[in-house]
Amino acid sequence: DTAVSQTPKYLVTQMGNDKSIKCEQNLGHDTMYWYKQDSKKFLKIMFSYNNKELIINETVPNRFSPKSPDKAHLNLHINSLELGDSAVYFCASSRQNSNQPQHFGDGTRLSIL
Amino acid sequence: TQLLEQSPQFLSIQEGENLTVYCNSSSVFSSLQWYRQEPGEGPVLLVTVVTGGEVKKLKRLTFQFGDARKDSSLHITAAQPGDTGLYLCAGWGGYSTLTFGKGTMLLVSP
Repeated sequence: DTAVSQTPKYLVTQMGNDKSIKCEQNLGHDTMYWYKQDSKKFLKIMFSYNNKELIINETVPNRFSPKSPDKAHLNLHINSLELGDSAVYFCASSRQNSNQPQHFGDGTRLSIL
Repeated sequence: TQLLEQSPQFLSIQEGENLTVYCNSSSVFSSLQWYRQEPGEGPVLLVTVVTGGEVKKLKRLTFQFGDARKDSSLHITAAQPGDTGLYLCAGWGGYSTLTFGKGTMLLVSP
């Protein structure tokens, strides 16, 4: 059983398009996250949601809009895609306590042509 | 902004060798985690260290949290090809965020 699943796994699109990435977790966690991993493998937090409410927005352009319809889902919509958006995007979830492990999805590799 | 510096960035060794990866910061973290990431997958938690000076062992992997909770190390004894991967340290600090280091890419050749 997949704990954190995100779709699609690969996304190839042209500059200027709008795209969405979906994420679902079946672990019963309260907190979900979006991370961006660049070509040098640096993993950086983008957003954090707790019980469907936005907790953290780490200086991400407002072209990126997360949406959490319920505790188990956190989707990421990106408008007007730019070349610099090319990266691997990871969804993760955890219990609310800060020492808890984060469980990651397998990532969505976004390539902008 | 809390930063975590990892070293070395890359490590290529032969099977059976020992190695140590370091994770350093000027900031204090309430706890520190180590993850391993394999190609095409997300990071997977190896260990969480919470107390300054704490040492945890996971088979051939030994993790240590610095006394001042600003640094950590990962030591692998008798490395095997299955240890190959990207090792990431991550610290819980303020603002309920997990700050990741830039990772150490380990390649263990048979």
